[in-house]
Amino acid sequence: EIVLTQSPGTLSLSPGERATLSCRASQSVSSSYLAWYQQKPGQAPRLLIYGASSRATGIPDRFSGSGSGTDFTLTISRLEPEDFAVYYCQQYGSSPVFGQGTKVEIK
Amino acid sequence: QLQLQESGPGLVKPSETLSLTCTVSGGSISSSSYYWGWIRQPPGKGLEWIGSIYYSGSTYYNPSLKSRVTISVDTSKNQFSLKLSSVTAADTAVYYCARRPMVRGVISFFDYWGQGTLVTVSS
Repeated sequence: EIVLTQSPGTLSLSPGERATLSCRASQSVSSSYLAWYQQKPGQAPRLLIYGASSRATGIPDRFSGSGSGTDFTLTISRLEPEDFAVYYCQQYGSSPVFGQGTKVEIK
Repeated sequence: QLQLQESGPGLVKPSETLSLTCTVSGGSISSSSYYWGWIRQPPGKGLEWIGSIYYSGSTYYNPSLKSRVTISVDTSKNQFSLKLSSVTAADTAVYYCARRPMVRGVISFFDYWGQGTLVTVSS
């Protein structure tokens, strides 16, 4: 079973700054079958990125995903106040796996 | 607009069976393009996949929960359900249902989610 390790655990940044979140897989993820989600307190997760780099419907272009193989990155180019949240990566498949999450907090 | 809604008891006693239903509206659960899944999140913790089901009844379960989990589908009601037996306090969590598109034959991401329902295991 693939293990997804996200880093850092917490990212403290100011609005307007760039956020770079990492998701590392214990073995290669086939065909970039990786997704990213945003979760705010009291809400269900929201799909941001699928296929490692494709934005889901309605997701602003300040969110971008990249990577392949075992190393994937979610970048938020300029943090807006509503972007402070927890972010999870997830590998596709019949037995999907989530990373443990990265919290982006206001510095 | 597709919507998913979880329903079921918010309090379950230890050793009993947790039962939840997800009602899908705005789309058909019988579409060949999607699986349907359950995910849970203990308070203050991360996301854990529980299992997935196809409209035909084909299922996949998290190996760590497999012995206690049953997921079923009722296409006539556009619903799918979760049963988790022999619950303990460790099963206290927000339980979500969600849709999973098939991408090139692979069960993929979770694109539509229910709002979640908190289930507490306590006597």
